[in-house]
Amino acid sequence: EADIYQTPRYLVIGTGKKITLECSQTMGHDKMYWYQQDPGMELHLIHYSYGVNSTEKGDLSSESTVSRIRTEHFPLTLESARPSHTSQYLCASRSYEQYFGPGTRLTVT
Amino acid sequence: GENVEQHPSTLSVQEGDSAVIKCTYSDSASNYFPWYKQELGKGPQLIIDIRSNVGEKKDQRIAVTLNKTAKHFSLHITETQPEDSAVYFCAARGGSEKLVFGKGTKLTVNP
Repeated sequence: EADIYQTPRYLVIGTGKKITLECSQTMGHDKMYWYQQDPGMELHLIHYSYGVNSTEKGDLSSESTVSRIRTEHFPLTLESARPSHTSQYLCASRSYEQYFGPGTRLTVT
Repeated sequence: GENVEQHPSTLSVQEGDSAVIKCTYSDSASNYFPWYKQELGKGPQLIIDIRSNVGEKKDQRIAVTLNKTAKHFSLHITETQPEDSAVYFCAARGGSEKLVFGKGTKLTVNP
């Protein structure tokens, strides 16, 4: 069973707001990932990190940013949310096997 | 880079029948092939994986086979049950350290 947590699970906010999606894991994994997914659709990698102070952009361009100050914590920030950011955001971490968190469903009105 | 193709995109079976989902990959350096099950409103759950030094792996009603020569791997679910209904994703990983996912298969098991 994976110990990876995401908060909030659901978020509805207005256009222009700044938001931070939280992701934490208690497994001591160095490698962490953020994916964007529309319901039942493909998983798109938007950010990843291979350790503290390491962050890289993924395959899908995203206006979000990430930070990795602590091993267990990998938050994602949107400075100014727009309706096009409406999606599900999934965090994952791994040693060899990769585990996903439950996701945050974001709706921007 | 790696490219993973997954078929079919939708699959409907009767309860008790078997279901097979197939994936092909392009990078011969890939050596790890996991399968995920995603239920509505949840994150993907790792259900089984296989490494390149193994041809087949089984866990109760679920099995995965790997053909490295042909670069394809498959998920087999036997004696399907309604709770097997979900979206299934295959993935491959090699030297890039990142999983590359297929586009998913929506499996529906009809009672």
